[in-house]
Amino acid sequence: QSALTQPASVSGSPGQSITISCTGSSSDIGAYNYVSWYQQHPGKAPKLMIYDVSNRPSGVSNRFSGSKSGNTASLTISGLQAEDEADYYCCSYTSSSTPHFGTGTKVTVL
Amino acid sequence: EVQLVESGGGLVQPGGSLSLSCAASGFRFSSYWMHWVRQAPGKGLVWVAQINPNGRTTTYADSVKGRFTISRDNAKSTLYLQMNSLRAEDTAVYYCGSTFAYPWAFDMWGQGTMVTVSS
Repeated sequence: QSALTQPASVSGSPGQSITISCTGSSSDIGAYNYVSWYQQHPGKAPKLMIYDVSNRPSGVSNRFSGSKSGNTASLTISGLQAEDEADYYCCSYTSSSTPHFGTGTKVTVL
Repeated sequence: EVQLVESGGGLVQPGGSLSLSCAASGFRFSSYWMHWVRQAPGKGLVWVAQINPNGRTTTYADSVKGRFTISRDNAKSTLYLQMNSLRAEDTAVYYCGSTFAYPWAFDMWGQGTMVTVSS
């Protein structure tokens, strides 16, 4: 099974909003509302930012929001800040009863 | 404090074996699904294997099926990954993770342990 497809990189200026897409299929994103998003800074473990498509865990800034349409999920970061510069990964539950990660997106704050 | 701590990584020759451990603390380990996820140098996250709370149900990524075995000892609150017939492409940081509070969302991760397969 191929990884979920994300853009390799997205950039924005401080204060702007950016959106990262995650494209899957009818066997994963399109079939379940179990899409999650992770932030990973260099040399660190991933951190959960969004679960179940659009829910934020306690402690995660409300500048992060998630959505889904058909086979594509999206993560939006509003009011971009320097500390948001990191790699971001989507993940979806699949019809194989296993999770599947996206290819990853490097976010650069200009 | 809820914590996962991996150990056991290192340098191993192609064809060799290595066993990773993940010690859990601060939560009822025996109640949760546990997973291994790996990340090759400069690459993305890849799910490797999962095990259900009582250890009787396991699932593997195709790339490791037949070579890796995930197991757990709930009495010791420890997760394991036995890796056999290692290949250069298995070189990665290996993370243990759990869907602690949310189904199918990894809200708990260890710090990772590096496995290098090279002659």
